[in-house]
Amino acid sequence: NAGVMQNPRHLVRRRGQEARLRCSPMKGHSHVYWYRQLPEEGLKFMVYLQKENIIDESGMPKERFSAEFPKEGPSILRIQQVVRGDSAAYFCASSPPSQGDSPLHFGNGTRLTVT
Amino acid sequence: LAKTTQPISMDSYEGQEVNITCSHNNIATNDYITWYQQFPSQGPRFIIQGYKTKVTNEVASLFIPADRKSSTLSLPRVSLSDTAVYYCLVESSGSARQLTFGSGTQLTVLP
Repeated sequence: NAGVMQNPRHLVRRRGQEARLRCSPMKGHSHVYWYRQLPEEGLKFMVYLQKENIIDESGMPKERFSAEFPKEGPSILRIQQVVRGDSAAYFCASSPPSQGDSPLHFGNGTRLTVT
Repeated sequence: LAKTTQPISMDSYEGQEVNITCSHNNIATNDYITWYQQFPSQGPRFIIQGYKTKVTNEVASLFIPADRKSSTLSLPRVSLSDTAVYYCLVESSGSARQLTFGSGTQLTVLP
């Protein structure tokens, strides 16, 4: 039973380019969460999605960042016109449809470096 | 969302029991407590979860006093591989989840 899969593991972009981060949740999970972690800091919530719906994007910067979780395929976190401050580890987590108190299952992240 | 406070770092030696305490003074009636472990370059991993009293699994124990304003993660007989950051989270059952992580506790196990 594969866990949460994130790719790529490492991504290097020049300033001004676009970054696309992918997350495939665990089988049977329909809830996806994205977090950002700066060096030496804790995880910061960005966005919570269910299939085809954004439930909570209160942690997402208003500009340049967007997320989707289509009916088919992985969830995508998209960062347009990247800047050096976007360099961080981006983690995706998933949980099953009946949330209750189900713990989150995290992927191993995508490390974005903006040069 | 209840705010949590935990020590920034702790050191221990192999074979000792480690207790990490988390304060959550404004925990609500429907909130429960979850602990995660994170190794460098990996995503957080669920350790244990509880609502009150004591919960034990194959990895750890979680002690929650009657007032629920704090909780203590207990790791028996730690080994070097338990060196990691440990996060305490408080969340509400059934609510839209944000799961705000604090800075966590860096546990370093020494030989």
